[in-house]
Amino acid sequence: DSGVTQTPKHLITATGQRVTLRCSPRSGDLSVYWYQQSLDQGLQFLIQYYNGEERAKGNILERFSAQQFPDLHSELNLSSLELGDSALYFCASSVGGKGVGDTQYFGPGTRLTVL
Amino acid sequence: SQKIEQNSEALNIQEGKTATLTCNYTNYSPAYLQWYRQDPGRGPVFLLLIRENEKEKRKERLKVTFDTTLKQSLFHITASQPADSATYLCALPSGGGADGLTFGKGTHLIIQP
Repeated sequence: DSGVTQTPKHLITATGQRVTLRCSPRSGDLSVYWYQQSLDQGLQFLIQYYNGEERAKGNILERFSAQQFPDLHSELNLSSLELGDSALYFCASSVGGKGVGDTQYFGPGTRLTVL
Repeated sequence: SQKIEQNSEALNIQEGKTATLTCNYTNYSPAYLQWYRQDPGRGPVFLLLIRENEKEKRKERLKVTFDTTLKQSLFHITASQPADSATYLCALPSGGGADGLTFGKGTHLIIQP
């Protein structure tokens, strides 16, 4: 158990809909990262938050957004969903996150299926 | 953008032998490189980090090398066991002074008893 929790575990929805994925980092970790894993693209970095502020953006679509709250939990919002958004979404956390290579602890993931 | 290549074919190794996995990257000079293990349907688990000024790092049966001239890292598991069977991912910092990672697609390792 990494100490990172994600809800829900599974999510099935229809094209065009909007969903919210939730992540609670390990106690004491200030950074939260979101990754998307699909069979063809592998594990892709989406976005990082550090202590409530956006720190870095990866391959995140404009239809996707995220935020980190004062209690450090984070939410990833996916809107106007398309079939291709079906994937495993992982949240990870680390103590820091300022480019020094802190270990990232991954949650169990949310499996999103768009029908 | 940086590209990371790992052997996409599964690697079959007999129990007790040393497994060697390769990670090659281009268009990048990373400050560090990390290796993760991922089991089916689960999140990646951190194994080792090696920095650009380090040639080799060891942890129990694991050894990582980092050749910044060749732009290559080798990941070794000695005395391999069936429980080592998993997908192993190589990861580099995505850049910008933060710690978002760019991952390779991973090598699926199978240790046969």
